Amino acid sequence: GQQVMQIPQYQHVQEGEDFTTYCNSSTTLSNIQWYKQRPGGHPVFLIQLVKSGEVKKQKRLTFQFGEAKKNSSLHITATQTTDVGTYFCAGPHSGTYKYIFGTGTRLKVLA
Amino acid sequence: DAGVIQSPRHEVTEMGQEVTLRCKPISGHDYLFWYRQTMMRGLELLIYFNNNVPIDDSGMPEDRFSAKMPNASFSTLKIQPSEPRDSAVYFCASSFGGLSTTGGITYEQYFGPGTRLTVT
Repeated sequence: GQQVMQIPQYQHVQEGEDFTTYCNSSTTLSNIQWYKQRPGGHPVFLIQLVKSGEVKKQKRLTFQFGEAKKNSSLHITATQTTDVGTYFCAGPHSGTYKYIFGTGTRLKVLA
Repeated sequence: DAGVIQSPRHEVTEMGQEVTLRCKPISGHDYLFWYRQTMMRGLELLIYFNNNVPIDDSGMPEDRFSAKMPNASFSTLKIQPSEPRDSAVYFCASSFGGLSTTGGITYEQYFGPGTRLTVT
């Protein structure tokens, strides 16, 4: 079945360092979403990418959708302690509203 | 809007007991999702509804799990009988499967705070 993998699984960075997480799907996606889950919290929607090669920015966060629409990345510039949490990508199962969530990348930021 | 509401927030029960989790989606949303999150298996979709009709329940682990959506503002996930391996955080999420206010189509899901279930 469709799988969505993320690397790395864990990342510890010093505050101020950059961070990148990568998302890879076993199938082509019509769109991809990113969510953030704070420790003890629930996933919160960050963004949706639809077009091949699309790049979107939200302040220090940069999201990219691959040309083949099978991979995506999230890059955080100059991390802050507020960036701590687990970042998930999610892609829809072909032609449905059933989103398959990636394995997640847990980010820890050391002050 | 209050967001997606789930109850209870925490549930501790003994093996063999029936457990019912409740969810109130955001008003106007026509999709409702039930997820289970564990360290081992991550975030798994159990079932989702569109306009109160179950569309895909292929993620429901076994017959002990059942979900209903009697109306647009309420859904339940029931486990009977519960087992220790059912211990997890269960999230309900809702979304609007149509045009956003900006004109583009977005399928963002709004998650509730979750129910932490412990089965002893």
